[in-house]
Amino acid sequence: AQSVTQLGSHVSVSEGALVLLRCNYSSSVPPYLFWYVQYPNQGLQLLLKYTSAATLVKGINGFEAEFKKSETSFHLTKPSAHMSDAAEYFCAVSDPGGSYIPTFGRGTSLIVHP
Amino acid sequence: EAQVTQNPRYLITVTGKKLTVTCSQNMNHEYMSWYRQDPGLGLRQIYYSMNVEVTDKGDVPEGYKVSRKEKRNFPLILESPSPNQTSLYFCATTGGSSYNEQFFGPGTRLTVL
Repeated sequence: AQSVTQLGSHVSVSEGALVLLRCNYSSSVPPYLFWYVQYPNQGLQLLLKYTSAATLVKGINGFEAEFKKSETSFHLTKPSAHMSDAAEYFCAVSDPGGSYIPTFGRGTSLIVHP
Repeated sequence: EAQVTQNPRYLITVTGKKLTVTCSQNMNHEYMSWYRQDPGLGLRQIYYSMNVEVTDKGDVPEGYKVSRKEKRNFPLILESPSPNQTSLYFCATTGGSSYNEQFFGPGTRLTVL
């Protein structure tokens, strides 16, 4: 069984500040991990993914995430927030050897203040 | 262009009136699924399909039906909608070399009065 916990349903930052969105997972096997972003009134799109290659993964729009096996974490970061980063962010985990069924976290809403 | 389309994008209906939300993909993906998104609950899977004529229940299947007669289409059917099915619905696909990456449709906002 696998699960995802996203700490904080809302995260508020000032423009130019560091963005840190937390994701912890539980999986019985080495997982695939994903971050998706949902802009207002849109569907979800892939931000970045970890598939057992490099543990530091770079995604679109300056975001990156680091897979830490010892901490079972996959936190999403961006050095400097932009107003356009305001969106809902979802962490997801799936079993690479099993079905295609991912498990999603409940999402974190990122609010960026001017 | 690779895409997942959903129709309609917005729908307001009344309790008990059967409706269908269509989903179509042009990526030749084997796997398709339906999710509903509700505030504070994130994405919950309703049904999924591993291939044509192969469907299975997700986490919240009650009140929904699906069919997969063709690889590209995966309609979601609400035989007798109720107000608690008011939600934002997403269709998603994956397969081939995508390795579990989900490709999402734009969403259908459904209101059941």
